[in-house]
Amino acid sequence: GENVEQHPSTLSVQEGDSAVIKCTYSDSASNYFPWYKQELGKGPQLIIDIRSNVGEKKDQRIAVTLNKTAKHFSLHITETQPEDSAVYFCAASIYGNDMRFGAGTRLTVKP
Amino acid sequence: ETGVTQTPRHLVMGMTNKKSLKCEQHLGHNAMYWYKQSAKKPLELMFVYSLEERVENNSVPSRFSPECPNSSHLFLHLHTLQPEDSALYLCASSQVEGLTDYGYTFGSGTRLTVV
Repeated sequence: GENVEQHPSTLSVQEGDSAVIKCTYSDSASNYFPWYKQELGKGPQLIIDIRSNVGEKKDQRIAVTLNKTAKHFSLHITETQPEDSAVYFCAASIYGNDMRFGAGTRLTVKP
Repeated sequence: ETGVTQTPRHLVMGMTNKKSLKCEQHLGHNAMYWYKQSAKKPLELMFVYSLEERVENNSVPSRFSPECPNSSHLFLHLHTLQPEDSALYLCASSQVEGLTDYGYTFGSGTRLTVV
């Protein structure tokens, strides 16, 4: 089955800097790649997603890029703010009902 | 109520107890999931229900028993658990159309402690 690896496990940046989190997946048939943000005491929340027919997608300060050939995708957060501090999860899916998650990245934005 | 609601938020149970976790989604989705979240490990998929039929068991121990009486409700029945079963149990729902995913909506989880 699909295996998703995520790096780094922890990331600390200064407020205003950019943060990048990278994920690789094993099954070339995967076609849907969402990113989730989990704040303390809450469940993961979908923040952005990308499908395999698209190379990049942006939503304000957040962007996701996908390299199908290399089987990796990345989350980019620009102009980070303290409220961006959370655990971020990447995921990959081949078809409905089979979402597999990375182990998570704990992002800390220092004011 | 909107989104995905899980109850209780916290649960402490002995190894000989029987308890149930409840999940309710108010989004009109057609698929529901149970995930286990342990420290420093990826989210582990436990059970999937699509159109109220279980589609994946994922080799979960029989001390965990899911139930999906309708498309809006999902239960996880627990009995004779082990201390290593202590974790955050997350429920999620999604709309699946054919082979297309639309992302999951998660509840806030039930923090389970087995003593």
